[in-house]
Amino acid sequence: DADVTQTPRNRITKTGKRIMLECSQTKGHDRMYWYRQDPGLGLRLIYYSFDVKDINKGEISDGYSVSRQAQAKFSLSLESAIPNQTALYFCATSARDRVRNEQFFGPGTRLTVL
Amino acid sequence: TQLLEQSPQFLSIQEGENLTVYCNSSSVFSSLQWYRQEPGEGPVLLVTVVTGGEVKKLKRLTFQFGDARKDSSLHITAAQPGDTGLYLCAGIPSLTTDSWGKLQFGAGTQVVVTP
Repeated sequence: DADVTQTPRNRITKTGKRIMLECSQTKGHDRMYWYRQDPGLGLRLIYYSFDVKDINKGEISDGYSVSRQAQAKFSLSLESAIPNQTALYFCATSARDRVRNEQFFGPGTRLTVL
Repeated sequence: TQLLEQSPQFLSIQEGENLTVYCNSSSVFSSLQWYRQEPGEGPVLLVTVVTGGEVKKLKRLTFQFGDARKDSSLHITAAQPGDTGLYLCAGIPSLTTDSWGKLQFGAGTQVVVTP
């Protein structure tokens, strides 16, 4: 079984709709992250979480919100989706290691906003 | 602008040839990582380098961290079609004030190895 899972894998929605992307992990890591990937821009951090009670904004958090329901679960919401939020979204986890911060990624969600 | 600049953006070679991908910055990094991403999947960690001048080998892949910890390279010897993928470098800037540090990613190098 995969260590980091994401649902759904693909989603097509319309402008203005609320969307939730879910992430679960079995790696036992405290830290979880949400990234979006756009061609030519690499991975950009949306939100990250130290633990259940700690949520932090990344570099592109506008238009997004998150919820850390448990150590193993971290969900990303788009309250009112817009076309420029069309992208690949990845969840990742890491152990506590300030120097390395090696990350383990889920398979991604391809989101299309029409 | 990207903190980490990768070059080239795209590389297409024949099976058996060698290739090198570069990751450069004007900033110093505590560590640098290389990931490979295949279509429809998330990035997978290949290696982490921590010490300036460090060289790590993973089968036919050789990773080097610059002496000043501002750059890194990935060299593939005798490339195979299975090496095809998007190669991403990522690092933690040394000057970050976060208590644990966030990864900065380069935009990636798409490598295509044809039989």
